[in-house]
Amino acid sequence: ETGVTQTPRHLVMGMTNKKSLKCEQHLGHNAMYWYKQSAKKPLELMFVYNFKEQTENNSVPSRFSPECPNSSHLFLHLHTLQPEDSALYLCASSQVLARTTNNEQFFGPGTRLTVL
Amino acid sequence: QKEVEQNSGPLSVPEGAIASLNCTYSDRGSQSFFWYRQYSGKSPELIMFIYSNGDKEDGRFTAQLNKASQYVSLLIRDSQPSDSATYLCAVSVHGNQFYFGTGTSLTVIP
Repeated sequence: ETGVTQTPRHLVMGMTNKKSLKCEQHLGHNAMYWYKQSAKKPLELMFVYNFKEQTENNSVPSRFSPECPNSSHLFLHLHTLQPEDSALYLCASSQVLARTTNNEQFFGPGTRLTVL
Repeated sequence: QKEVEQNSGPLSVPEGAIASLNCTYSDRGSQSFFWYRQYSGKSPELIMFIYSNGDKEDGRFTAQLNKASQYVSLLIRDSQPSDSATYLCAVSVHGNQFYFGTGTSLTVIP
């Protein structure tokens, strides 16, 4: 496997279900991200993990819960979602070399989530 | 509120022409600027990044940055039908905080 992988690629769930999205990066990067992409809206940064520590949480509802067990794996746990949460969820990774250095992100293929 | 603005298009150019994509940003502290290409149903793919004022060229692509005007652009020379996609402008202010525009849809007509 190369690059950034995500599973599942498609997910349909009811509002009472609990599911998890998985992301794995094979690039040796030390930062990982979750984004939400909805139609006609900019990519929304949800969570950032830098060296396995969460550094950003952009006011995301608690029904989304991230987990980063190591620098290569990132999960997004979902529970009691709403239909408006239906979107493409993208994982990305980057190599942060210094605190103020911003390095390009590489994206996974995404998980298309539909909440019924 | 940190904003990144792009004309949503669609922008149509004939094959072989130059496509010009523009992006403005609101935060003067922005440090890094990126252009991503996203095909329908696919994830964003990095095309160019630029950190300093001026031009940066990579093959048929040229990124232009003007921090005084808070403006970054992407030029695609000799446009090909395979360049038809949505182009996302992204800006990073500091750390790991990235802001994306809504994207410009480009169609290259054979």
